Amino acid sequence: DAGVIQSPRHEVTEMGQEVTLRCKPISGHDYLFWYRQTMMRGLELLIYFNNNVPIDDSGMPEDRFSAKMPNASFSTLKIQPSEPRDSAVYFCASSTTGFSNQPQHFGDGTRLSIL
Amino acid sequence: QKEVEQDPGPLSVPEGAIVSLNCTYSNSAFQYFMWYRQYSRKGPELLMYTYSSGNKEDGRFTAQVDKSSKYISLFIRDSQPSDSATYLCAMRTNGGSNYKLTFGKGTLLTMNP
Repeated sequence: DAGVIQSPRHEVTEMGQEVTLRCKPISGHDYLFWYRQTMMRGLELLIYFNNNVPIDDSGMPEDRFSAKMPNASFSTLKIQPSEPRDSAVYFCASSTTGFSNQPQHFGDGTRLSIL
Repeated sequence: QKEVEQDPGPLSVPEGAIVSLNCTYSNSAFQYFMWYRQYSRKGPELLMYTYSSGNKEDGRFTAQVDKSSKYISLFIRDSQPSDSATYLCAMRTNGGSNYKLTFGKGTLLTMNP
């Protein structure tokens, strides 16, 4: 079975540019999560969706960050304008509802470098 | 004080040894406790899941939760080269549909041959 698919795997861009990260969750999963991982702060939840609706975006660092989920099979995380401190690995994860112990399945991440 | 504290390591152990990893936390509302394993340049994958206090065993892995001390542990028996990875603890409250996980920063574990 295909897991969570993220693209691109690597992104290098200059400060001020718009960055769009993409995620395809596992088919049938109705929760989708966006995380950011850095050495300093570890793995932090940015936002999560249930049935394509944003539930909690309290982790989104500032207005430069936005996330959308137009349908059950696709989500984007956008940074505009990007800054060097946004450099990190961004992970997308998905899970199913019903039982609270359903694990979150992670993609392999997008390694973002802002110069 | 951070909600979840985890020693970043690195922790270097000989193959075949018993490994002990742990996390402490401050939020007494946490009810669900997880351990994730993350290989280099990969996403985290769930290893163990425990609800409330107690022990859970799965093969070479044992997870322990002590809610009175706000302390969780992961033990790995007969450690193998494939166990070299970063181990992250994660936890969440029992808040209905709240699936928000809080992670520790992770402990890097390496095996000595």
